[in-house]
Amino acid sequence: KQEVTQIPAALSVPEGENLVLNCSFTDSAIYNLQWFRQDPGKGLTSLLLIQSSQREQTSGRLNASLDKSSGRSTLYIAASQPGDSATYLCAVYNFNKFYFGSGTKLNVKP
Amino acid sequence: NAGVTQTPKFQVLKTGQSMTLQCAQDMNHEYMSWYRQDPGMGLRLIHYSVGAGITDQGEVPNGYNVSRSTTEDFPLRLLSAAPSQTSVYFCASGQGSEQYFGPGTRLTVT
Repeated sequence: KQEVTQIPAALSVPEGENLVLNCSFTDSAIYNLQWFRQDPGKGLTSLLLIQSSQREQTSGRLNASLDKSSGRSTLYIAASQPGDSATYLCAVYNFNKFYFGSGTKLNVKP
Repeated sequence: NAGVTQTPKFQVLKTGQSMTLQCAQDMNHEYMSWYRQDPGMGLRLIHYSVGAGITDQGEVPNGYNVSRSTTEDFPLRLLSAAPSQTSVYFCASGQGSEQYFGPGTRLTVT
């Protein structure tokens, strides 16, 4: 059974710092990996989708990498802002099923 | 284009009552799914559907039923609610493996 782990569970940083969120998964036979943002009391917003054949994806200040062989992905956020405060979830997809990590709750202090 | 809509937003049930959580999408996606999210945990897949008339179980299907009579709708039924089903429920739809989430239904079973 696929298991997805996210470290750290919570992170507090001052505004302007660059930071890295980690995601690991136990079964490397994935079709793709997706990073989501969840604001309190809200649904999930897709940030980046990395296909299994890709190594990384970038969108603005966000960069996600994927190392399928080692079962790891990282989400890099450059020049963090208070508006980045949210919970970040990663999910892996294979055989019509998605498996989510429990998320990293990020607080960016002004 | 409303995306993925869910009703109701909030619901309180007594143990043993039944109800249906509604989910609809207007993006003509074949794939739809239901998740529950509990505090400190990621989303766990309850049931999913790869097209009208086709459904399958996810990670935590017990206590829930689904059907998919149209491409647009994917209702989730709780036949006899239990306190363990207190959670936030998310519906999602997708094309390929990219997922779009509804805003969620917060269900409390007393």
